[in-house]
Amino acid sequence: DTAVSQTPKYLVTQMGNDKSIKCEQNLGHDTMYWYKQDSKKFLKIMFSYNNKELIINETVPNRFSPKSPDKAHLNLHINSLELGDSAVYFCASSQDLNDGYTFGSGTRLTVV
Amino acid sequence: QQQVKQSPQSLIVQKGGISIINCAYENTAFDYFPWYQQFPGKGPALLIAIRPDVSEKKEGRFTISFNKSAKQFSLHIMDSQPGDSATYFCAARPKAGAGSYQLTFGKGTKLSVIP
Repeated sequence: DTAVSQTPKYLVTQMGNDKSIKCEQNLGHDTMYWYKQDSKKFLKIMFSYNNKELIINETVPNRFSPKSPDKAHLNLHINSLELGDSAVYFCASSQDLNDGYTFGSGTRLTVV
Repeated sequence: QQQVKQSPQSLIVQKGGISIINCAYENTAFDYFPWYQQFPGKGPALLIAIRPDVSEKKEGRFTISFNKSAKQFSLHIMDSQPGDSATYFCAARPKAGAGSYQLTFGKGTKLSVIP
């Protein structure tokens, strides 16, 4: 069983479109995250969500909005996609503040 | 502002050799230091982690050395194998109550182990 699963694995879309990436974890973890990995492999935090508390990285454009219907899911919705949004997006989860992360396998987003 | 500085950017090691990757940090509130391994097309996977109350942690061929006064930590891979070829990330997270509990990652080191 996949611990942290993301869908889709690949997403190709045109500029200006709106798209969503879904993430689900079956580990019973309390905290979930979205990270963006750029072409140089740099991993940057976008959001974390812990017990209904959303922590937003201030550098993330407000076109990006996380939605958490329950503790096991944290989806990422992106409005008005831009070329610069092309990257690999990783979902991750952790049990608590003292735990390591479990990452999903990533969603490669390509905006054309 | 890069809070965790990782070097080198890339590393080539002969099979059987020792791979060493270094990281430095500035935020004294950091108290959890993990290393992640990422293969192409996969997500990062936790390899080994250390807290500042110990100076070294070893798991199999992987060892973390931690120098609290210098604010540096490093990953040593003994008897490096071609299967170790991957990108390695160091990371750090502040103690609970010291602000955000999100991991901050270094920029990664691409390790190639050649036969």
